[in-house]
Amino acid sequence: EVQLVESGGGLVQPGGSLRLSCAASGFTFNTYWMHWVRQAPGKGLVWVSRINPDGNTADYADSVKGRFTISRDNARNTLYLQMNTLRAEDAAVYYCARGHRNNPNWFDPWGQGTLVIVSS
Amino acid sequence: DIVMTQSPDSLAVSLGERATISCKSSQTVLYSPNNKNYLAWYQQKPGLPPKLLFYWASTRESGVPDRFSGSGSGTDFSLTISSLQAEDVAVYYCQQYYSIPLTFGGGTKVEI
Repeated sequence: EVQLVESGGGLVQPGGSLRLSCAASGFTFNTYWMHWVRQAPGKGLVWVSRINPDGNTADYADSVKGRFTISRDNARNTLYLQMNTLRAEDAAVYYCARGHRNNPNWFDPWGQGTLVIVSS
Repeated sequence: DIVMTQSPDSLAVSLGERATISCKSSQTVLYSPNNKNYLAWYQQKPGLPPKLLFYWASTRESGVPDRFSGSGSGTDFSLTISSLQAEDVAVYYCQQYYSIPLTFGGGTKVEI
């Protein structure tokens, strides 16, 4: 069974940092693009970042560019999101999602999400 | 960036009735070389992550009931539930994957 399990969320002060992790299992992790998508409470879905299977190509939404860094450890089957200089508007549930086998840019499946709260 | 606009924001449909959601993109998501529309649909039930329903605008993901259908091309798309069931209560999102940044519509909440 394909599983994605996020962790690392929590309460952080504005300007602070947090690293999210996504543990993958049930598939050949190093052959899939991976993504982070976030959802503020009661709001819609917003794509954050993606990374290629080798981990040497990444893209970001403008709203996080220069502050967030996506990475992966294929030996550990784990995806990461390093979030720096956090703002109130970064508060959200962060989902990791796998790119589909037929195209890297739609998402299937999704993890359960991890909640990030940015508040003083 | 491609802006995705869904309508309505919410709709209430009786059990067994049809529900139709519209999704419009600010520019075409039809890639001419392969004649494919780079559009996906997701269903998100309360407290759960989204679930893929359709890709290429109208290709149903395995396990999705056939009362769900996706259609459209270019900039205008729709998701139809032919006979609404109680378990279909959810928020539905369209997403374009034609270009980066990947973008979603604002969501449509379907209620009984």
